[in-house]
Amino acid sequence: ETGVTQTPRHLVMGMTNKKSLKCEQHLGHNAMYWYKQSAKKPLELMFVYNFKEQTENNSVPSRFSPECPNSSHLFLHLHTLQPEDSALYLCASSQGDGGQETQYFGPGTRLLVL
Amino acid sequence: QKEVEQNSGPLSVPEGAIASLNCTYSDRVSQSFFWYRQYSGKSPELIMSIYSNGDKEDGRFTAQLNKASQYVSLLIRDSQPSDSATYLCAVKSNFNKFYFGSGTKLNVKP
Repeated sequence: ETGVTQTPRHLVMGMTNKKSLKCEQHLGHNAMYWYKQSAKKPLELMFVYNFKEQTENNSVPSRFSPECPNSSHLFLHLHTLQPEDSALYLCASSQGDGGQETQYFGPGTRLLVL
Repeated sequence: QKEVEQNSGPLSVPEGAIASLNCTYSDRVSQSFFWYRQYSGKSPELIMSIYSNGDKEDGRFTAQLNKASQYVSLLIRDSQPSDSATYLCAVKSNFNKFYFGSGTKLNVKP
């Protein structure tokens, strides 16, 4: 247990569905991240939030919509996804103070788009 | 040029041997360096962090950092089959910017 939880752990959705991934951190961190990890590919940074403000959008398609209502919660809203979006979606958090901060990952959501 | 480079492997070592994993990075202003272990289908798990030049030891793991050469390594002593996983090198540069390598797959053979 890293103090970062994600739900659901597994998700199967059709291309016309709308679903949301949830991440919660219990570490008192101020920065939260979404990563995508496809099979046999490196981690791809998607979004970064620091103190609830989005500081990074790594050219992610608009069918992925992040939301950060507070420093402890992060959502990824999914809409009209494509089969190639099937991947492991990882949430992470860090202190967000710009110092010697360490990033901790949640268990991930395994997404399959049919 | 990739920010963080690792040999993808697989690196095969016999049980009980020393496994040596290497990583280079391109951003000279990088502040913090990390090694994560990732089992297949699981999320990355932090093993070590290192911030200053030299060696840092934690149990069977030793991280080595050489900022002048922009090089980070991880040594695993007395390798066990349970160490078989993909090892990710990560580098923190500017504020909230973490860069990950593609990982080195380690196989420890009984």
